[in-house]
Amino acid sequence: IVLTQSPDFQSVTPKEQVTITCRASQPIGNRLHWYQQKADQSPKLLIRYASQSISGVPSRFSGSGSGTDFTLTINTLEAEDAATYYCHQTSSLPLTFGGGTKVEI
Amino acid sequence: EVQLLESGGALVQPGGSLRLPCEASGFTFSSYAMSWVRQAPGKGLEWVAVISDSGGSTYTADSVRGRFTISRDNSKNTVYLQMKTLRAEDSAVYFCAKSDIIGPGITWHFDVWGRGTLVTVSS
Repeated sequence: IVLTQSPDFQSVTPKEQVTITCRASQPIGNRLHWYQQKADQSPKLLIRYASQSISGVPSRFSGSGSGTDFTLTINTLEAEDAATYYCHQTSSLPLTFGGGTKVEI
Repeated sequence: EVQLLESGGALVQPGGSLRLPCEASGFTFSSYAMSWVRQAPGKGLEWVAVISDSGGSTYTADSVRGRFTISRDNSKNTVYLQMKTLRAEDSAVYFCAKSDIIGPGITWHFDVWGRGTLVTVSS
């Protein structure tokens, strides 16, 4: 299953809203998860099963979607949100990741 | 605290072999599937391989199948990635990752990642 993220890159200012989309090449139900990777760090789980929040992750991060189209939204962006964001499907093997969206503040 | 610590990364010549261990702590290792994910310099994430909690089921990506083998020793809380016939395109930081869901099955996302270990394949 190929995951296509858009945009590849987004430059934003603090307090803006950011929307990242991820499209799957075939239906995957809600088996779509989001990670944040800051420079020189390992990825961190942000959202699981398309819209489930993760303990300890700020509430400004939210996810939506099902089937083939998914969205990660960051409300009221903060400087610390500068990172690359990846979607990831676990509907079928091989597990796959999207190409990533780099968010620059 | 849940931790994963990869090691074994090195500079290796094309055609060479390497084994990467990932030692886990802070959770019941034998209850979770484990994966390896790699990231080439400046590139995105690429899933490499997964092994079930018991070690009875494994699956590897097409790009490494026949060359890489994932295994685990639950008595040592360690998962391994044996890499053979290495190519330049295998150069990457290799992360091990813990599945978020307890129990059998291998199609799970990851709630904990190690810091990674760098493998460079070059002559």
